[in-house]
Amino acid sequence: GQSLEQPSEVTAVEGAIVQINCTYQTSGFYGLSWYQQHDGGAPTFLSYNGLDGLEETGRFSSFLSRSDSYGYLLLQELQMKDSASYFCAVGRGQNFVFGPGTRLSVLP
Amino acid sequence: DAGVIQSPRHEVTEMGQEVTLRCKPISGHNSLFWYRQTMMRGLELLIYFNNNVPIDDSGMPEDRFSAKMPNASFSTLKIQPSEPRDSAVYFCASSPLAGQGFYEQYFGPGTRLTVT
Repeated sequence: GQSLEQPSEVTAVEGAIVQINCTYQTSGFYGLSWYQQHDGGAPTFLSYNGLDGLEETGRFSSFLSRSDSYGYLLLQELQMKDSASYFCAVGRGQNFVFGPGTRLSVLP
Repeated sequence: DAGVIQSPRHEVTEMGQEVTLRCKPISGHNSLFWYRQTMMRGLELLIYFNNNVPIDDSGMPEDRFSAKMPNASFSTLKIQPSEPRDSAVYFCASSPLAGQGFYEQYFGPGTRLTVT
């Protein structure tokens, strides 16, 4: 089976950098994905890591270490609109699972 | 390009009634997914289709739940009979990556279902 752990909440100020960690246990690894969800909204795909290393997309970067079963999402130059929940996800087929989510609050 | 379309956006029904949720995936996408989201259980994958074929419905909670995809542009999730514990937000998502689509999914706005 699959299981993921994320911090439940993170708080940071505008303009800062924040890192959201995700550790996972999986029976078969097919990459680590990240999604953003604003309150009342739908999850939005942010990034995917299939191999070790850093993937950068604008202000957001995602990192994966398969040997450590660990990844993180890095958000730079935080803006108020980044306040949302962030989910990591792993697996494939009916073993595909989302993590419990990390609620990010960005303060002025 | 239109995103994933779901209807209705909100549904309030009484226990025992049949509920049908509808989804139109993004044109050209080969995979379609149905999820349920609650505070207690988070986001749960219910069923997914590749090229209109249901691949695995083991996430469907009970026989009261059924899903169909009669063509590439339409899918339904039906609950019959509905129960209060089915109250949740139901999301449909599609992916351009048949078979490998789990890591890049595009979600619809969701249907908020309340069963009284």
